[in-house]
Amino acid sequence: NAGVTQTPKFRILKIGQSMTLQCTQDMNHNYMYWYRQDPGMGLKLIYYSVGAGITDKGEVPNGYNVSRSTTEDFPLRLELAAPSQTSVYFCASSYSTSGTDTQYFGPGTRLTVL
Amino acid sequence: GNSVTQMEGPVTLSEEAFLTINCTYTATGYPSLFWYVQYPGEGLQLLLKATKADDKGSNKGFEATYRKETTSFHLEKGSVQVSDSAVYFCALRQGAQKLVFGQGTRLTINP
Repeated sequence: NAGVTQTPKFRILKIGQSMTLQCTQDMNHNYMYWYRQDPGMGLKLIYYSVGAGITDKGEVPNGYNVSRSTTEDFPLRLELAAPSQTSVYFCASSYSTSGTDTQYFGPGTRLTVL
Repeated sequence: GNSVTQMEGPVTLSEEAFLTINCTYTATGYPSLFWYVQYPGEGLQLLLKATKADDKGSNKGFEATYRKETTSFHLEKGSVQVSDSAVYFCALRQGAQKLVFGQGTRLTINP
């Protein structure tokens, strides 16, 4: 049972480069999320999706884009990398948005922008 | 808006010591409360949760009680082990709104 998987685990980018962080879940969850975790801070929501074809902004969406063409996949795109985007990125999924529902997290992608 | 405040870390204890990590929240209504744990190099895992006042969540020897009167959800364990070394996040969620996390508390247990 893979759960939520993310690739790559680590990446170093130069300023201005672009990349896509991949996220896949095999639990048939409708809801998926992207968070960033800065050192000593809690997680902040970047984007989320309530189903294939539907996405919405979270707290810190600037500099990122997402798409949701299938239930399983929710890639996060960085178009013009900046040092401020150095962070650890977590993808998560849940069955519903019920207040009691559990979000399941992937192992994270550690991104450094130099 | 909703917010979560955790005790600042890092926290360092000896094996078999008693653990408390404080968590208080601000929210209107009745949010659900969660503790997530992040082991070194891994993603967050749900440790326990409570969905209404006076509920007690428990898992792996950890407990937390949802206290509406003090707006708190403190994490406790009677006897910690080296394997409990991790970062612990308190979080809340209200209805369909997003999860709101505290800043995390790094716990180190020495043998």
